[in-house]
Amino acid sequence: KQEVTQIPAALSVPEGENLVLNCSFTDSAIYNLQWFRQDPGKGLTSLLLIQSSQREQTSGRLNASLDKSSGRSTLYIAASQPGDSATYLCAVINAGGTSYGKLTFGQGTILTVHP
Amino acid sequence: DAEITQSPRHKITETGRQVTLACHQTWNHNNMFWYRQDLGHGLRLIHYSYGVQDTNKGEVSDGYSVSRSNTEDLPLTLESAASSQTSVYFCASSAQLGTGELFFGEGSRLTVL
Repeated sequence: KQEVTQIPAALSVPEGENLVLNCSFTDSAIYNLQWFRQDPGKGLTSLLLIQSSQREQTSGRLNASLDKSSGRSTLYIAASQPGDSATYLCAVINAGGTSYGKLTFGQGTILTVHP
Repeated sequence: DAEITQSPRHKITETGRQVTLACHQTWNHNNMFWYRQDLGHGLRLIHYSYGVQDTNKGEVSDGYSVSRSNTEDLPLTLESAASSQTSVYFCASSAQLGTGELFFGEGSRLTVL
């Protein structure tokens, strides 16, 4: 059964700092990995989607990498801002077994960027 | 713009009542999913559908049902609501199974008293 772990569970940084959020998964049979942002009381907003054949994706100040063989992904946020404060979730779409085509989510990292 | 909408956004009901949460998407996506989100458990898959007349059970499907009569809608029904079903429910859709990006609705907060 696929398991997704995110470290750290919470992170507090001053504005302007570069930071890295980590995601690991136990089964490398995945189609893709997706990073989401969730604001309090809101739904999930897709940030980046990395296909299993890709190594990284970039969008503005965000860069996500994927090392499928080691079961790891990182989300790099450059020059963090208070508006980046949210919960960040990673999820993998499984390619094998009974979990085929379904997402498995991590527990999320709660990010606080203070002025 | 295409979107995915859920209703109601908030609902309070009593134990034993039947409740239906609506999910409507205008992307014409074949794949639709229902998740619940709880502290300490993260997001867990309840039911999903890969197309009209197709429905499948997820990891926490007991006490829930779905039906897919058209491409746009996947309503989630709680046959007899229980306090353990107090949660935030999210609907999601994707165009391509496996490789497609997943899009989420804003969520429905359900409280069962």
